[in-house]
Amino acid sequence: DIQMTQSPSSLSASVGDRVTITCRASQSISNYLNWYQQKPGKAPKLLIYGSSSLQSGVPSRFSGSGSGADFTLTITSLQPEDFATYHCQQSYSNPRTFGQGTKVEIK
Amino acid sequence: QVQLQESGPGRVRPSETLSLTCTVSSASVSNADFYWSWIRQPPGKGLEWIGYIFYRGSTAYNPSLKSRVTMSVDTSKNEFSLKLNSVTAADTAVYYCARYESSGYQNAFDIWGQGTMVTVSS
Repeated sequence: DIQMTQSPSSLSASVGDRVTITCRASQSISNYLNWYQQKPGKAPKLLIYGSSSLQSGVPSRFSGSGSGADFTLTITSLQPEDFATYHCQQSYSNPRTFGQGTKVEIK
Repeated sequence: QVQLQESGPGRVRPSETLSLTCTVSSASVSNADFYWSWIRQPPGKGLEWIGYIFYRGSTAYNPSLKSRVTMSVDTSKNEFSLKLNSVTAADTAVYYCARYESSGYQNAFDIWGQGTMVTVSS
């Protein structure tokens, strides 16, 4: 199985801050990396697919980058509705695996 | 818009079988661009992919659960199902059904159900 490791596990930030979350795969996964946002009590929502493609309807302040084993999700100018948990997920091989999640909290 | 809705018992006794169904609206489970998936999340923990099924019945399961999982699809009802047998407390989780876009465009879980909490308890 491909292990996905996110860092940090949690962070505190203020509205307007730039936030960066990293995801590392245990082997190269090309660009088969997706990011999801999950709010408490809700299902995850697809934000980014293919490492850097923005899902329809997702604000442009979200961006993704990376290839191989190292990936980044960036939120420029954090908004109140962005406080949530973010998960990375690899689609390179089965079993599909997720990172442990990064919780973005209000400072 | 496309919607997925899970249904099934909220509580299952240890050693019994967990059974859930996902009903799909405004999309067809017979669409060859998608796999139909189950994902779970134990309380306070991360997401675990259980497996997925194609409309023709082919499946892929997580090896960690493969011996206990069966998925099926009913194209006439536009729904798909999950059975997990011999459950223990470790199977207590929110269970999500999700659509996996597999045509090569996204390769991602693009639509999710709201989730259903299943507790394993006597």
